[in-house]
Amino acid sequence: AQTVTQSQPEMSVQEAETVTLSCTYDTSESNYYLFWYKQPPSRQMILVIRQEAYKQQNATENRFSVNFQKAAKSFSLKISDSQLGDTAMYFCAFMNRGDDMRFGAGTRLTVKP
Amino acid sequence: EAQVTQNPRYLITVTGKKLTVTCSQNMNHEYMSWYRQDPGLGLRQIYYSMNVEVTDKGDVPEGYKVSRKEKRNFPLILESPSPNQTSLYFCASNPGTSGTYNEQFFGPGTRLTVL
Repeated sequence: AQTVTQSQPEMSVQEAETVTLSCTYDTSESNYYLFWYKQPPSRQMILVIRQEAYKQQNATENRFSVNFQKAAKSFSLKISDSQLGDTAMYFCAFMNRGDDMRFGAGTRLTVKP
Repeated sequence: EAQVTQNPRYLITVTGKKLTVTCSQNMNHEYMSWYRQDPGLGLRQIYYSMNVEVTDKGDVPEGYKVSRKEKRNFPLILESPSPNQTSLYFCASNPGTSGTYNEQFFGPGTRLTVL
């Protein structure tokens, strides 16, 4: 079974600085998707970024980028120029074709002014 | 607007009183699922459905029931709720094998408290 591990329960960063959230996963599949979701106090699950496993190029979305290391089964999220609105819980997730989504335990990020 | 809706958003109930949380999607998705979110555990899948009349257990199905009589609806039923079912619940859908599987759509969540 696929598992997703986020080893940092909590992190903090100063406004305007850069922070990296870690995620590792375990799977025997070769084709899959990886995701980072943001959950602000509203509890809504908001897709931040996704990565297709067969694409070597790391995904980027404005201030958010990933470092995808397929062989190491690592998928970290880098947030540049951190903003107060980035304060949230962040979940790493894994999904196969037509299958369920597996989540890590989450990392609570606090951006300090 | 493409969306997944859940009702109610908040619910406080007592042990043993049957309840249903509704979930509906307007995207004609095949795959729907229910998750519960608990501190330190992330989201864990309760039940899923790959199409109408096809449902199966996820990782934490005990104490829950589901049904999928129509493609758009996937209600979660707690026949006899207990305090350990106090949690935040999410319904989700994705196109499944009939489409691209690179995105999952989530409902807004239901905060359930069982006293």
